[in-house]
Amino acid sequence: AAGVIQSPRHLIKEKRETATLKCYPIPRHDTVYWYQQGPGQDPQFLISFYEKMQSDKGSIPDRFSAQQFSDYHSELNMSSLELGDSALYFCASSPPGTGNTGELFFGEGSRLTVL
Amino acid sequence: AQSVAQPEDQVNVAEGNPLTVKCTYSVSGNPYLFWYVQYPNRGLQFLLKYITGDNLVKGSYGFEAEFNKSQTSFHLKKPSALVSDSALYFCAVRRTGRRALTFGSGTRLQVQP
Repeated sequence: AAGVIQSPRHLIKEKRETATLKCYPIPRHDTVYWYQQGPGQDPQFLISFYEKMQSDKGSIPDRFSAQQFSDYHSELNMSSLELGDSALYFCASSPPGTGNTGELFFGEGSRLTVL
Repeated sequence: AQSVAQPEDQVNVAEGNPLTVKCTYSVSGNPYLFWYVQYPNRGLQFLLKYITGDNLVKGSYGFEAEFNKSQTSFHLKKPSALVSDSALYFCAVRRTGRRALTFGSGTRLQVQP
């Protein structure tokens, strides 16, 4: 079965640079979520999109932005990178019609290292 | 705030013994509760969920969880642990009006051969 695809899997950037992470949800899933997991931390919700519109906002820094495109893939753009942005970034998706009862399906994550 | 708490950073159990990973919740209304497992440098894999109905929920890989409303708990259990169960386990809740999940701090399960 198709899973959530994230790219790149690993990314190394310098401070103050920008980075873009991509997420391809499971086909026919209509909602995409972004999470950040720092070392030894629990995943923190950043932002989500439903049918290409922002549906919810968590602890996403102002330096970060995201969008969902017409083919439902999503991109997380991070600017003015800081050392503290080093983390695993997960994308998850959920299918239509599951409302509050459905689980999220997670990708393998993109590991960002800021030097 | 509506959330979940995992009181144990680590749980150690011998292979073949039963295991329990604890989770308590604090939500208003009906709780939607989930368990996920994470292996090193991997994504989170869904194990099971409680939405409504039977308090004992069965999930993947032989795991089950017991929902207890009076104790506001949703503990993860398995009758016989395997070394391959060693991983990081997260309890999660879906807050009212939000589709994203809020995760607990995680519990590292170590199963010794």
